Amino acid sequence: GAVVSQHPSWVICKSGTSVKIECRSLDFQATTMFWYRQFPKQSLMLMATSNEGSKATYEQGVEKDKFLINHASLTLSTLTVTSAHPEDSSFYICSAVRTGQETQYFGPGTRLLVL
Amino acid sequence: GEDVEQSLFLSVREGDSSVINCTYTDSSSTYLYWYKQEPGAGLQLLTYIFSNMDMKQDQRLTVLLNKKDKHLSLRIADTQTGDSAIYFCAEKAGAGSYQLTFGKGTKLSVIP
Repeated sequence: GAVVSQHPSWVICKSGTSVKIECRSLDFQATTMFWYRQFPKQSLMLMATSNEGSKATYEQGVEKDKFLINHASLTLSTLTVTSAHPEDSSFYICSAVRTGQETQYFGPGTRLLVL
Repeated sequence: GEDVEQSLFLSVREGDSSVINCTYTDSSSTYLYWYKQEPGAGLQLLTYIFSNMDMKQDQRLTVLLNKKDKHLSLRIADTQTGDSAIYFCAEKAGAGSYQLTFGKGTKLSVIP
């Protein structure tokens, strides 16, 4: 297999709070993970590339202080949405690349609703 | 920059074949992927093809690649209602990068 999990699967929070989303590769090690955002009926928008043991690389227009990424181990990357606002409400999907391979395996996604 | 185009909708009758088309612009693409997304779920890798291949078949799925025209297609034989989903075409650029460029997705509706 190549199973990627995300936790939580959905979260509702109040505006101004921070939310942490975890992405885990369950049966393989992943040097590289990616974080995407998907708006309703749209394609995936790459937010950042997360590399184990180093700083994440953010795509243009994505605020690194707003979306904190930590890839502390070969099986776990976290995305923290800081001081969340209603416009941060979205579907966040992570993917992981098995070390030594090139294919991305995706998690099931986390739906965030900020009230 | 890279661009991946797909038609947005496809409707077929159960039992028929579905063909989802995709065009891309990056001539240095090494791998091309098809992912399936069901409502409220993440992306499921269906199949992929290396850029030096013309065709790949995996059970009901057939991928055709025309590298000259930068055209990729996914054929689903004997389409079932469970195949209803959004299908994303994605390309991976050359060696050294894991990043994918996605199309906007084709919504496949299967009519019973």
